[in-house]
Amino acid sequence: AQTVTQSQPEMSVQEAETVTLSCTYDTSESNYYLFWYKQPPSRQMILVIRQEAYKQQNATENRFSVNFQKAAKSFSLKISDSQLGDTAMYFCAFMKHRGGNEKLTFGTGTRLTIIP
Amino acid sequence: DVKVTQSSRYLVKRTGEKVFLECVQDMDHENMFWYRQDPGLGLRLIYFSYDVKMKEKGDIPEGYSVSREKKERFSLILESASTNQTSMYLCASSPPGQLAKNIQYFGAGTRLSVL
Repeated sequence: AQTVTQSQPEMSVQEAETVTLSCTYDTSESNYYLFWYKQPPSRQMILVIRQEAYKQQNATENRFSVNFQKAAKSFSLKISDSQLGDTAMYFCAFMKHRGGNEKLTFGTGTRLTIIP
Repeated sequence: DVKVTQSSRYLVKRTGEKVFLECVQDMDHENMFWYRQDPGLGLRLIYFSYDVKMKEKGDIPEGYSVSREKKERFSLILESASTNQTSMYLCASSPPGQLAKNIQYFGAGTRLSVL
């Protein structure tokens, strides 16, 4: 079974600073997907960024980037130039690579607060 | 835009009641999921469905059942609600296959309190 660990229950940073959220996972699979989802207060969970394990290049989406270290089973999220709208719960998630119908295994989440 | 709608944002029920949580998606997605979200535990999968009338147990199915009679609707049923089922319930859907990039789309959640 897969496990996903987020060791930072809460973090806070000043607006415009850079923040890194950590995530580690455990799996015996060689091919899989990793995700960061964002859940703003009282709003729907949305996808932030996605990484395919067979791709060595780290995924980026505007101010969001990941540091994917496959051997270390680490998948951290970096938010640059943080904005007030980045305040949210952030969940790291894992999915096996099998036909696109696999379930997500989530970490326990990191509550990020951006301070004005 | 994909829309996943959960029928209630807040629900208060009594112990022993039968509870239905409804989820509807408008994008003709094959896959639908029910998660439970608790502080410090993240999201845990209760049940999922890959097709109409098809269901599979997730990680914590005990005390729950599901129904999928139509492709767009996936219902979570608490046959006899208990206080330890007080939680936030999230529904999600996704299209199948690599082209879909395995992204799941979530509803806004139903916060259920069982008294």
